[in-house]
Amino acid sequence: EAGVTQSPTHLIKTRGQQATLRCSPISGHTSVYWYQQALGLGLQFLLWYDEGEERNRGNFPPRFSGRQFPNYSSELNVNALELEDSALYLCASSDTVGEQFFGPGTRLTVL
Amino acid sequence: SQQGEEDPQALSIQEGENATMNCSYKTSINNLQWYRQNSGRGLVHLILIRSNEREKHSGRLRVTLDTSKKSSSLLITASRAADTASYFCATDRTGRRALTFGSGTRLQVQP
Repeated sequence: EAGVTQSPTHLIKTRGQQATLRCSPISGHTSVYWYQQALGLGLQFLLWYDEGEERNRGNFPPRFSGRQFPNYSSELNVNALELEDSALYLCASSDTVGEQFFGPGTRLTVL
Repeated sequence: SQQGEEDPQALSIQEGENATMNCSYKTSINNLQWYRQNSGRGLVHLILIRSNEREKHSGRLRVTLDTSKKSSSLLITASRAADTASYFCATDRTGRRALTFGSGTRLQVQP
């Protein structure tokens, strides 16, 4: 069974640009989560989507947004990129049980 | 701020020895999960223990949970060089699904 997949693996942008990160959950999982792992700040919860709806949001500004598609895949969009947005962005998926299984991550570098 | 705090921050042992990592948290939880991360890559789910469980085993892993002390421990028996990684505990407050991660324990297993 395929795990959570994320693309791209690496992404390099400049300040002020927009970044789009993609995630495909494990087959049968309806919930998708996004986390940011920035140097010195640890793993921080960003967003939770379930059945196409945003269910919970972490303490991040509105320029962090996303959506979930009918096939349960998800996109994370980061607008007006700032240097401190450089981080590893991890996507996870789960079924109703609650164990969250993570993908390999997208490393975003903002220059 | 991080809810969970792992102890110790770093641990170095010889192959074949046991490794014990501890996690403390501050608020009531629905469940607690342990993850492993190799060199800044994705997180590997190790085990989930629910708030009404006290101990759980999976292969060479043993996890305990003491909700009265708001703490958990992860024991890896007969460690191997391949166990070298960072280990994180993550807590889930009821219904919110936003995992709150500790700062992690960096485990080094010397061959």
